[in-house]
Amino acid sequence: NAGVMQNPRHLVRRRGQEARLRCSPMKGHSHVYWYRQLPEEGLKFMVYLQKENIIDESGMPKERFSAEFPKEGPSILRIQQVVRGDSAAYFCASSYQGSNTEAFFGQGTRLTVV
Amino acid sequence: AQKITQTQPGMFVQEKEAVTLDCTYDTSDQSYGLFWYKQPSSGEMIFLIYQGSYDEQNATEGRYSLNFQKARKSANLVISASQLGDSAMYFCAMRDNNAGNMLTFGGGTRLMVKP
Repeated sequence: NAGVMQNPRHLVRRRGQEARLRCSPMKGHSHVYWYRQLPEEGLKFMVYLQKENIIDESGMPKERFSAEFPKEGPSILRIQQVVRGDSAAYFCASSYQGSNTEAFFGQGTRLTVV
Repeated sequence: AQKITQTQPGMFVQEKEAVTLDCTYDTSDQSYGLFWYKQPSSGEMIFLIYQGSYDEQNATEGRYSLNFQKARKSANLVISASQLGDSAMYFCAMRDNNAGNMLTFGGGTRLMVKP
């Protein structure tokens, strides 16, 4: 049973480009969580999705960031018109249920904006 | 709102000695969970140990134990017999058990094990 898979592991984008980060949850998991980790900081919650629904996006920046988790395929975190401040590690976690169960983390995508 | 505080930005420990990493939390929730994760230089988040707010006994997992003091709202991680491979960032995190599986993380402690 493969764990949470994130790709790419490393992504370099020029300012103004779009970044797409993918997360395939563990088999049987329908709940996905995205976190951002700025350098030398802890992870900060961004968004919680269940298949085809955004449950909680209280940690998402208001502009340029969006997330989806379609019925088929991976969850996507999309950042439009990236800026240098978007450089960070983005982690995805998945869980079997929506509460009171362990969430398993992927290995993260390190985004560098040049 | 939940808040996690890790007051030790960095710590040194001699190999084979025990070390305690501090974590205090603030929440008005009655049912919550406390987690510790290890993040080595390779970057992945490795789950170490979990303590539920209603658990009466301190959690233990191998060389890791969690010193849970509910009245003080602290959940310190104790690593016994430190190894060189324990050098990493350590994060304390909290979850409201009635509001999804989202975690609130502390700022982390960098542990360096000296040979």
